[in-house]
Amino acid sequence: DAGITQSPRHKVTETGTPVTLRCHQTENHRYMYWYRQDPGHGLRLIHYSYGVKDTDKGEVSDGYSVSRSKTEDFLLTLESATSSQTSVYFCAIPGVGNSPLHFGNGTRLTVT
Amino acid sequence: SQQGEEDPQALSIQEGENATMNCSYKTSINNLQWYRQNSGRGLVHLILIRSNEREKHSGRLRVTLDTSKKSSSLLITASRAADTASYFCATDARNDYKLSFGAGTTVTVRA
Repeated sequence: DAGITQSPRHKVTETGTPVTLRCHQTENHRYMYWYRQDPGHGLRLIHYSYGVKDTDKGEVSDGYSVSRSKTEDFLLTLESATSSQTSVYFCAIPGVGNSPLHFGNGTRLTVT
Repeated sequence: SQQGEEDPQALSIQEGENATMNCSYKTSINNLQWYRQNSGRGLVHLILIRSNEREKHSGRLRVTLDTSKKSSSLLITASRAADTASYFCATDARNDYKLSFGAGTTVTVRA
């Protein structure tokens, strides 16, 4: 999708291993968001960033950490993955085109 | 906690028919947004309605908002096969993009 790229697109990992997901934007926006999507829950906010090195927790932040060392990249880390973190993870930035929030194509993470 | 809840969970209609889905939410909002998600893809913004608006149109889409009932509806008129997707409402309480999403309505349009 224009403006935002997530990597990897798919990841399978074992319980207890660390995992880092990357979100890269080319819109130079201050704000970036990480959501997870699970059946029956819609999307839920994990963490967000309002500038380089400025981050804050969302609704479901337990078990996750984030880092923003430069404007274009927002990393989501699962320090020790658990099966409950099997989900689809979406990164989003505001204001691309007419969209108040523009989403990447997601990373499907499976924790076995 | 989940702010928005959609109804119905799933909807199957014939091409050319209208599709209506509803969203209810719990706390006051600054605006309410509707998104579409095709299988395996990210969410795509459809329409935003502010808390002081009652109705908004965009092409074949019509959104209503009733803040007294804390509810919104999305109407898709003259549906097409390409409208097959999941539709989500999302509320923004403070205009800060920290959205609260409902669980979505899955719409299937039969040819």
